[in-house]
Amino acid sequence: EAQVTQNPRYLITVTGKKLTVTCSQNMNHEYMSWYRQDPGLGLRQIYYSMNVEVTDKGDVPEGYKVSRKEKRNFPLILESPSPNQTSLYFCASSLGRGLVTADTQYFGPGTRLTVL
Amino acid sequence: KQEVTQIPAALSVPEGENLVLNCSFTDSAIYNLQWFRQDPGKGLTSLLLIQSSQREQTSGRLNASLDKSSGRSTLYIAASQPGDSATYLCAVSPFNQAGTALIFGKGTTLSVSS
Repeated sequence: EAQVTQNPRYLITVTGKKLTVTCSQNMNHEYMSWYRQDPGLGLRQIYYSMNVEVTDKGDVPEGYKVSRKEKRNFPLILESPSPNQTSLYFCASSLGRGLVTADTQYFGPGTRLTVL
Repeated sequence: KQEVTQIPAALSVPEGENLVLNCSFTDSAIYNLQWFRQDPGKGLTSLLLIQSSQREQTSGRLNASLDKSSGRSTLYIAASQPGDSATYLCAVSPFNQAGTALIFGKGTTLSVSS
């Protein structure tokens, strides 16, 4: 089954404790990205990757890191989480042809993160 | 900067009604527009994708239209069912944004009662 998976689905942590949220897709997609969803603000892009070893900042990258060492995986790293990073996080992927993607984006099930 | 607005924010209808959800965007320079469905505690599911050169797309009871020049899209749901209850999100892929981020509206939460 074609899908985007995220782990963990739920995470409660404390300020400053480094964490990684994993994202994996099995569709051989080139383009992957991370979004956060907050009440009243909607979904906003954190980082994206056009292909292996190619990543760039989205609209709200502060406090986050990503890496793309393999095509299928795109982990989101919070090196020193703070309470304002409490949010619902989504990973997404699409075929990503050329410089832009005009393709359907597939989303993971989400990771609900609480930083105390 | 591209902004996407969805009206209404919430909608309650009885089962069987036909309904329309609205989406507007400020910059007509887009590659495509997508409609997503989000269920509580779950991810987003793509319902329909309309390329900028298209006027509409249909899937089952769903029909989405796009008027790029006026910056509007509508999602028409025919013969609504309780299972249609969810939040519907509209998103555009802007033409002049290198990251190809989808710009989302805040969604319309639909409740269909039996």
